[in-house]
Amino acid sequence: DTAVSQTPKYLVTQMGNDKSIKCEQNLGHDTMYWYKQDSKKFLKIMFSYNNKELIINETVPNRFSPKSPDKAHLNLHINSLELGDSAVYFCASSLTGGRDFHEQYFGPGTRLTVT
Amino acid sequence: TQLLEQSPQFLSIQEGENLTVYCNSSSVFSSLQWYRQEPGEGPVLLVTVVTGGEVKKLKRLTFQFGDARKDSSLHITAAQPGDTGLYLCAGVSATGNQFYFGTGTSLTVIP
Repeated sequence: DTAVSQTPKYLVTQMGNDKSIKCEQNLGHDTMYWYKQDSKKFLKIMFSYNNKELIINETVPNRFSPKSPDKAHLNLHINSLELGDSAVYFCASSLTGGRDFHEQYFGPGTRLTVT
Repeated sequence: TQLLEQSPQFLSIQEGENLTVYCNSSSVFSSLQWYRQEPGEGPVLLVTVVTGGEVKKLKRLTFQFGDARKDSSLHITAAQPGDTGLYLCAGVSATGNQFYFGTGTSLTVIP
């Protein structure tokens, strides 16, 4: 019973292509996130969605577009991929409010390599 | 400059040794979390500390939140190879609407 799942696990593609990463959570959480982890292992938040509405949008190129069809899914679409987009992308989810606020549950990650 | 600085950045020790990882900031946090990330996987939540001065224990791991809620430490007693991984602290801002990860500490425990 996977709590937060992402597909694909690995993605190798050429510069200029468009690709999507999918994320699903079965924890009943109402907030989902996308993070980018660079080669130095620093985790940086990209987007946060609460009940299908965007609540955090950090400084991210507009080539990145998140889409949340329902509160259990948050997909990430990337247009015109660049070499610098190579990284590991993590999806996460959490409950909003209460003592568990912001306790995040992460997916296994998607390693994106742009050649 | 990152909001949450961890030290050391890298740590390699022998099995059975003790170690402490620090997470420091000039900002006050309403709560702070610690995660461990193993290679090829996502971070996994270990603990959340909420009250200044709070100490929580998880088997051989002891977590402490600073009195002023600006810093935290993670102490591991008698480290095991299974403790190897990337340790990340993460803080919720005092206003409760911002969340930041620390710079990370990569721990290797040699058998």
